Amino acid sequence: QVQLRESGPGLLRPSQTLSLICSVSGGSIRSGDYYWTWIRQHPGKGLEWIGSSHYGGRTYFNPSLKSRVIISLDRSNNQFSLNLTSVTAADTATYYCAISPIYGDYVIGWGQGTLVTVSS
Amino acid sequence: DIQMTQSPSTLSASVGDRVTVTCRASQTIRSYLAWYQQKPGKAPKLLIYEASSVESGVPSRFSGSGSGTEFTLTISSLQPDDFATYYCQQYDSDLTFGGGTKVEI
Repeated sequence: QVQLRESGPGLLRPSQTLSLICSVSGGSIRSGDYYWTWIRQHPGKGLEWIGSSHYGGRTYFNPSLKSRVIISLDRSNNQFSLNLTSVTAADTATYYCAISPIYGDYVIGWGQGTLVTVSS
Repeated sequence: DIQMTQSPSTLSASVGDRVTVTCRASQTIRSYLAWYQQKPGKAPKLLIYEASSVESGVPSRFSGSGSGTEFTLTISSLQPDDFATYYCQQYDSDLTFGGGTKVEI
């Protein structure tokens, strides 16, 4: 069973770039069976999909975040990353990395989540 | 963008109750709908996919139905472990989540 763990800074200043890494165990980033996905949850609120990427090259993003998001796959370290530029307080949230099967974009595995706070 | 609307936003129930949560899509999503359960401080857990397929390991009291734009999640007999927040998610076009339904005592 694939396990995921997020890591990265918990506090950012406005205008900085949020960078998170998701370490993958029990499976390979190179697997064609999954989409590697980022989802966030604002404090006390619902879930928001950020974007997904497949090792074969397909990457797609939430249109509302697309201009600020990069998702990269690192096969050497078996991890994938999220970069979100020009953050504001509105980007304060718990960020989850997740996996979806190639045949359907529902989430079958989640990391434990990491809280990122944007504050001056 | 496809919008997902859940109702109710909060539901008060007792152990043993039959509970139904509704999710409506702003346009047809065929059967591309999933349901998740989330407890405080935890990541969501997949319950149902493709509108009515129960994920392995999920108790049989959970069921899903619907297609097109209207869907339901039913818990046939509410158990103490089921008090949580439930989210629907469409995956017909990108991914969009509903606003959540909190099931409380």
